[in-house]
Amino acid sequence: QVQLKESGPGLVQPSQTLSLTCTVSGFSLTSYSVHWVRQHSGKSLEWMGRMWSDGDTSYNSAFTSRLSISRDTSKSQVFLKMNSLQTEDTGTYYCAREASGGLPGDWGQGVMVTVSS
Amino acid sequence: DIQMTQSPPSLSASLGDKVTITCQASQNINKYIAWYQQKPGKAPGLLIHYTSTLVSGIPSRFSGSGSGRDYSFSISNVESEDIASYYCLQYDNSPTFGSGTKLEIK
Repeated sequence: QVQLKESGPGLVQPSQTLSLTCTVSGFSLTSYSVHWVRQHSGKSLEWMGRMWSDGDTSYNSAFTSRLSISRDTSKSQVFLKMNSLQTEDTGTYYCAREASGGLPGDWGQGVMVTVSS
Repeated sequence: DIQMTQSPPSLSASLGDKVTITCQASQNINKYIAWYQQKPGKAPGLLIHYTSTLVSGIPSRFSGSGSGRDYSFSISNVESEDIASYYCLQYDNSPTFGSGTKLEIK
């Protein structure tokens, strides 16, 4: 069945770079796109960007200058890198496979990231 | 970017009630709106896409409607398992979520 699992450091220092990995199974990254979405504690959801099945990327304009999404299809992994982290970047980060229509459908369990010194 | 104004922020209902949540987009989103349910400590789950299309396996007591800028999501015959937060998402353009509605049982 379709599974996605986020992994990465739970704690990142301010001004440093966040690196997260989304490892998928049950589908091919060359057939489905993968979204990244984050959620501040108790707050709403924020779409960050998308790795398309053809390898192209789209980003939320709020993150464009500091966000990068890439992939390794041989390992079924999608990567998120975001630099210049601030305390406001603390939250839970999710990856999600596209559903019919392209929107986020099947989600991973999320990984909590705290930005603190 | 398209802004999604979701209301109310919270809702208290009795079991068996019908509840309705609305989302208004800052521009026409051509029915490209979805609704998600999120229970505490869990990832969101997709309930409805393209305004009113129910995801397979989702009970028919969940429904959606709307057009243009204005959309609504309803739960009829609220059950205890429906306690959750609900979010709208527009995906006509760069996706944006509503601010969420927390459903509680009276």
